[in-house]
Amino acid sequence: QVQLQESGPGLVKPSETLSLTCTVSGGSISYYYWTWIRQPPGKGLEWIGYIYYTGSTNYKHSLKSRLTISLDTSKNQFSLRLSSVTAADRATYYCAGQAPYSNWFDPWGPGTLVTVS
Amino acid sequence: QSVLTQPPSVSGAPGQRVTISCTGSNSNIGAGNDVHWYQQFPGTAPKLLIYHDTNRPSGVPDRFSGSKSGASASLAITGLQAEDEADYYCQSFDSSLSGYVFGSGTKVTVL
Repeated sequence: QVQLQESGPGLVKPSETLSLTCTVSGGSISYYYWTWIRQPPGKGLEWIGYIYYTGSTNYKHSLKSRLTISLDTSKNQFSLRLSSVTAADRATYYCAGQAPYSNWFDPWGPGTLVTVS
Repeated sequence: QSVLTQPPSVSGAPGQRVTISCTGSNSNIGAGNDVHWYQQFPGTAPKLLIYHDTNRPSGVPDRFSGSKSGASASLAITGLQAEDEADYYCQSFDSSLSGYVFGSGTKVTVL
């Protein structure tokens, strides 16, 4: 079964760029939508955006100007880049998969906490 | 401010039935978009609990059930167990925002 694992720096300086990678194992990166979701400490879940295996993307409107989600099919990975971070971007970042013709998220990675300081 | 509104907390004694509401609008649940539910334990990733309004993935106990009516949805837990103590989130698609939205989350406490 497909498993996901986030990786990247746990600490980013204000105004710099947050970069995370999600590695997909146990299956191909093809035919799925690959999503990023975040959760500030003690708060709820926020959908950030997704990339389809074809490369098409959909970003949350309020983050669009700072956000890039990309795909590396040769490595079975997809990535998140969020520029000009502030303390408000401190959160646990989850990657998740979304099957075609579905609009729910399954599976999820374990998540990685990113602090801005 | 979450687009989908849930009560912050619900509680019940073991064996009781509790329900969690998820209230949306005409641009998400009321537009006929599916509602999905996730269960999250502290320090862990959310897990899909209910998809497509009423369906349970393999391995989810049948004491969890979902329903939807109009612009609202509900998650019911019957025969509440201590292991059900967790946070629960609803999720849907918002046609006006052209993106996915989550509920504010509900903490279930087993008394």
